[in-house]
Amino acid sequence: GENVEQHPSTLSVQEGDSAVIKCTYSDSASNYFPWYKQELGKGPQLIIDIRSNVGEKKDQRIAVTLNKTAKHFSLHITETQPEDSAVYFCAASQGAQKLVFGQGTRLTINP
Amino acid sequence: EPEVTQTPSHQVTQMGQEVILRCVPISNHLYFYWYRQILGQKVEFLVSFYNNEISEKSEIFDDQFSVERPDGSNFTLKIRSTKLEDSAMYFCASSVVGGGNYGYTFGSGTRLTVV
Repeated sequence: GENVEQHPSTLSVQEGDSAVIKCTYSDSASNYFPWYKQELGKGPQLIIDIRSNVGEKKDQRIAVTLNKTAKHFSLHITETQPEDSAVYFCAASQGAQKLVFGQGTRLTINP
Repeated sequence: EPEVTQTPSHQVTQMGQEVILRCVPISNHLYFYWYRQILGQKVEFLVSFYNNEISEKSEIFDDQFSVERPDGSNFTLKIRSTKLEDSAMYFCASSVVGGGNYGYTFGSGTRLTVV
């Protein structure tokens, strides 16, 4: 089955700097790659997703890149702000089938 | 914006007792899921439900677990005889298929504490 690895487990950046979180997946049949932000005591909130027919997607300060050949995808957050502090999870799935999550990255933005 | 609603937000139960966690998925969604997250760990898939039957389940989803869609709106997870290791956050999710929009949405979760 699918296995998703996520790095780093913790990331601390200065406010205004960029943050990059990376994930690899094992199943070449996976075609949907969402990123979730989880704040304390809340459920995962979708922040951006990408499908296997595109290599990059951007939404304001957030971007995701996908390399199908290498089976890895990354989340890029630019101009980080204190409210970006949270745990971020990547995931992979085949369409609407189950999501397989990475281990999570605790991102801390230092003022 | 449409939401997935879960109740209760926190449930404390004694070991061996039955619990039912409730979810109201988004109304036009077709796929329903339960995931769990043990404190500090990643979110793990439990079960998916489509067309009134289980479409996939994980190794975690053993005979102690069951799901039901008793009416047109609710989706429930039952744990028959809770164990200490069932303590976790349980998330319900739903998704829609069609037009390349999978639309996964998670609820805020139920924190289950087994004592």
